[in-house]
Amino acid sequence: DQQVKQNSPSLSVQEGRISILNCDYTNSMFDYFLWYKKYPAEGPTFLISISSIKDKNEDGRFTVFLNKSAKHLSLHIVPSQPGDSAVYFCAASEGNNNDMRFGAGTRLTVKP
Amino acid sequence: DAGITQSPRHKVTETGTPVTLRCHQTENHRYMYWYRQDPGHGLRLIHYSYGVKDTDKGEVSDGYSVSRSKTEDFLLTLESATSSQTSVYFCAISSPNYGYTFGSGTRLTVV
Repeated sequence: DQQVKQNSPSLSVQEGRISILNCDYTNSMFDYFLWYKKYPAEGPTFLISISSIKDKNEDGRFTVFLNKSAKHLSLHIVPSQPGDSAVYFCAASEGNNNDMRFGAGTRLTVKP
Repeated sequence: DAGITQSPRHKVTETGTPVTLRCHQTENHRYMYWYRQDPGHGLRLIHYSYGVKDTDKGEVSDGYSVSRSKTEDFLLTLESATSSQTSVYFCAISSPNYGYTFGSGTRLTVV
């Protein structure tokens, strides 16, 4: 029962271009969404979040968009840099975050 | 990283043996979590704790037990390891504004 889905296992983009990572969820009770970034041999690190009362949140080169009616969120990275190459996990929770659900991850490769 | 450490970082064990993984935090956070990461599944919650001696099951708790006798330590035990428990295990603590802060992980191989 995967409530958070990242259907693209991998994505490759050119340096300087936009990276768009997608995430879909099935539980309409989710109201808090996060993106984590993970480098090899390290734990995931928080990147950006959005609550269901918003449809967009921006932090520097990173923007997360939330479409509640479609149960879809996306992470935009502009411009993409080689250091952005990592696995990105989408996560969602309902109210308190004691059962945060994660997607399977998307491996982003940014080519110089 | 951010006051959370996991030990050991790597472990190879035989099927049927007990294994304990340790998570230690210096942040005095109430909530602590154990996740496992597997290809195609992302991160799945095994158990979590909301205080000393207060724990609850997560999505994939079968075959695992946990204990929290001190605020700073959260132990994950595999009573009798199986090959299906070969995985990377991450401990996490709740951060007020940043979701979870994760440890660096423990890579466990059951042979």
